[in-house]
Amino acid sequence: EPEVTQTPSHQVTQMGQEVILRCVPISNHLYFYWYRQILGQKVEFLVSFYNNEISEKSEIFDDQFSVERPDGSNFTLKIRSTKLEDSAMYFCASNVRGYNEQFFGPGTRLTVL
Amino acid sequence: GENVGLHLPTLSVQEGDNSIINCAYSNSASDYFIWYKQESGKGPQFIIDIRSNMDKRQGQRVTVLLNKTVKHLSLQIAATQPGDSAVYFCAEITSGSARQLTFGSGTQLTVLP
Repeated sequence: EPEVTQTPSHQVTQMGQEVILRCVPISNHLYFYWYRQILGQKVEFLVSFYNNEISEKSEIFDDQFSVERPDGSNFTLKIRSTKLEDSAMYFCASNVRGYNEQFFGPGTRLTVL
Repeated sequence: GENVGLHLPTLSVQEGDNSIINCAYSNSASDYFIWYKQESGKGPQFIIDIRSNMDKRQGQRVTVLLNKTVKHLSLQIAATQPGDSAVYFCAEITSGSARQLTFGSGTQLTVLP
């Protein structure tokens, strides 16, 4: 069964450093998303991406964040200068146009020291 | 802004009993309501959705009820099994959006042997 994959599973970085979180969505999916979940809290929407551009973004997704689909398979989230409060689990998700079921990856745990 | 939240943070049930997980929402413009299950260390997994013009939908061992009068959503799990132990989130999709999910705060369901 096809699934969304994410790498790395755990990323540790120093405050102020840039990180890139990688995702490979399901191959025939057209909508891509990033969400984050701070430990013990609810999952929060960051950004959606369709047709090679951002569709919507939340207040969390400020100028420090960017997304890219550099080729036909990868979908990346970059944080330019990490802050302590960026520590969270980051989930990538994808779905087929017109359906509600989003398929989530296993997440990348980002720890900012 | 939208507020999708849950009445109870934890719920413990005996194996074989039925479980009822509740959720309150405040955004009347929501198009769909969805239940996700999140097992420890994994990304959220779609369970079932319900369109805003429906009041009940059944799946395999699960039923979702929507009461728009009081803005209340519930997930009923029949014959709860140990594998049902997880955090359950309600989420909403708003019409006209890029179909991103707005999640509630989650209920931890524990199935007792």
